[in-house]
Formats: sequence, C-alpha cells, structure tokens
Amino acid sequence: EAQVTQNPRYLITVTGKKLTVTCSQNMNHEYMSWYRQDPGLGLRQIYYSMNVEVTDKGDVPEGYKVSRKEKRNFPLILESPSPNQTSLYFCASSPRLAGGSYNEQFFGPGTRLTVL
Amino acid sequence: QKEVEQNSGPLSVPEGAIASLNCTYSDRGSQSFFWYRQYSGKSPELIMSIYSNGDKEDGRFTAQLNKASQYVSLLIRDSQPSDSATYLCHLRVSFNKFYFGSGTKLNVKP
Repeated sequence: EAQVTQNPRYLITVTGKKLTVTCSQNMNHEYMSWYRQDPGLGLRQIYYSMNVEVTDKGDVPEGYKVSRKEKRNFPLILESPSPNQTSLYFCASSPRLAGGSYNEQFFGPGTRLTVL
Repeated sequence: QKEVEQNSGPLSVPEGAIASLNCTYSDRGSQSFFWYRQYSGKSPELIMSIYSNGDKEDGRFTAQLNKASQYVSLLIRDSQPSDSATYLCHLRVSFNKFYFGSGTKLNVKP
C-alpha cells in the first residue's frame, strides 16, 4: 500500500530532551516536507527536501533540523525541545512532475507532540 | 497579509444544501490550487485540484478558479453530515514553494 508513515504517533517529553520523529514513504517521491499544525494557524512548513541531500527551510524552521540521506526517509530532529514546539506534526511527500515542479502532497498520519 | 486567506467558520449548512467555501491569495504568480479535507485529528486528504481559470467538477464537488480576482472556491452539492470537516486551501506559488490556508470548518446539520 502506497503510504507515508510517521513514528511515533504520540509523544510526551520534557524540555531539552532531544527527540527524532521519523517519516518514511514508499512511493519513490522526490519531494518531502514537514509541517506543524496549530489551532488558528493552519499548516506551516518547517523544512522541505527536493531530493536526497537537498533540504531547505520553510516558514518556521527555528528549533528543528532535518536530514535526507535516503530518498524514502526524512526525519525531523528537535535537538532541545521547548514547550512552544508542542504541536501536531505532519510529514508529506510529492512526486516530481514532468516539468520539474511538484503538486499534490500525500500526508502521513501525524505525530502529536507535547513538550512539558 | 497572509499568503492564503480563508474564513475560519464554522460554516453551517443543512443536509442537502450547497456549501460554498472560499479562499483568496496574494501571490499573482500562484500556479496550482488544491482543496484538502481534514477530519479532526486526522491528516489532510486531497479532494480537488485546479490549474486554470474556470470550473472543475468531480462528483458533488466543484472547484472554481479566478486568477484575475485571486480567489479559488469549492462548492459541495447535496452536503452530507460526513462532509463535516475542515477544508484547507493549498496553492503552489513557485516550483517548490507551497502555502496552506488556515482552513474553514464546515458543519453539515442532519
């Protein structure tokens, strides 16, 4: 089944304790992206990657890191989480179009993170 | 000014009515437009895409795009309680840059 998977689905942690949220897709998509969703603010892009070893900042990258060592995986790293990073996180992927751009995004199930 | 603006709602319509959801955007160079549906606590799922001016119909859904006025809308005919969700407007402004609206919550009352 074509899908984007994220782990863990739920995580409660404490301030300053490094964590990683994994994201994997089995659709051979070039584009992958991380979003956070907060009430009233909608989906905001954290980081994106257009291919292996190519990553770039989105609109809210502060406090996050990513890496893209393999095409299928795009982990999100919080080196020192803080309470303002409590949010619902989504990973998404998108295939490259013939003209080189990207359109529809396929979303993972989400990770609900609470930082105490 | 936000790149994508949506009325947060909630928009309440009776079952069987037409629900009209609207979205305006600021970047005239926006190229591709999408509507996603998101149930509470779930991930967004694509329901419509539209790339050129005019209407595009798919079952009970019609997307409308007017690039001159910089708005895109979604009409849901014969609304059902199962259509109750948040609808996200999504657009691509450059070859790899996307923006989402904050969403409009739709309630369809039986």
